[in-house]
Amino acid sequence: DVKVTQSSRYLVKRTGEKVFLECVQDMDHENMFWYRQDPGLGLRLIYFSYDVKMKEKGDIPEGYSVSREKKERFSLILESASTNQTSMYLCASSLSWDSSTDTQYFGPGTRLTVL
Amino acid sequence: KQEVTQIPAALSVPEGENLVLNCSFTDSAIYNLQWFRQDPGKGLTSLLLIQSSQREQTSGRLNASLDKSSGRSTLYIAASQPGDSATYLCAVSYAGGTSYGKLTFGQGTILTVHP
Repeated sequence: DVKVTQSSRYLVKRTGEKVFLECVQDMDHENMFWYRQDPGLGLRLIYFSYDVKMKEKGDIPEGYSVSREKKERFSLILESASTNQTSMYLCASSLSWDSSTDTQYFGPGTRLTVL
Repeated sequence: KQEVTQIPAALSVPEGENLVLNCSFTDSAIYNLQWFRQDPGKGLTSLLLIQSSQREQTSGRLNASLDKSSGRSTLYIAASQPGDSATYLCAVSYAGGTSYGKLTFGQGTILTVHP
């Protein structure tokens, strides 16, 4: 079974802090994704990566950056946390991007609160 | 831009009922359509994936259909149980350009099955 783990289930940070959210997958997947989920707005893609050191902006990249130094690990970085970044953050991975049978596997999520 | 809509937003039914959740999408150039389940405060679990060339997929009491030309999918749940209570999310994978398997999600249907 594919396992996607996220470093924290709950996180509380202060405005202006630099925040790191870590995601690790154990199935040698090419693609990794970061989403945020907010009531009434659904899941929105922040960034994704289709290979080591490769990254692409999603729909809402402002205020975020990412790092993928190793294939299994994808980090989301909030350079200077703000209260409007309080949200549930979900990481996902998928085997490849050119298959119509490929699905995404999700981690349990990190509930981030910025005070 | 692909848009995905799910109806109804919430549904409450007594145990044992058969029910249908609806999903519509605006751009028919898709790789596949997927249905996910999300329990409160948790990540997403893939239920069914329908490739663009397929009409339906079945897993146990779940059956999902796809009509790509009309931009619609339905998730049918037979003989519902309280354990089916969750949020159900529909997502489409866009087939155009450098999509890298990105998913566009609907807002979800919150299902409550009461004993």
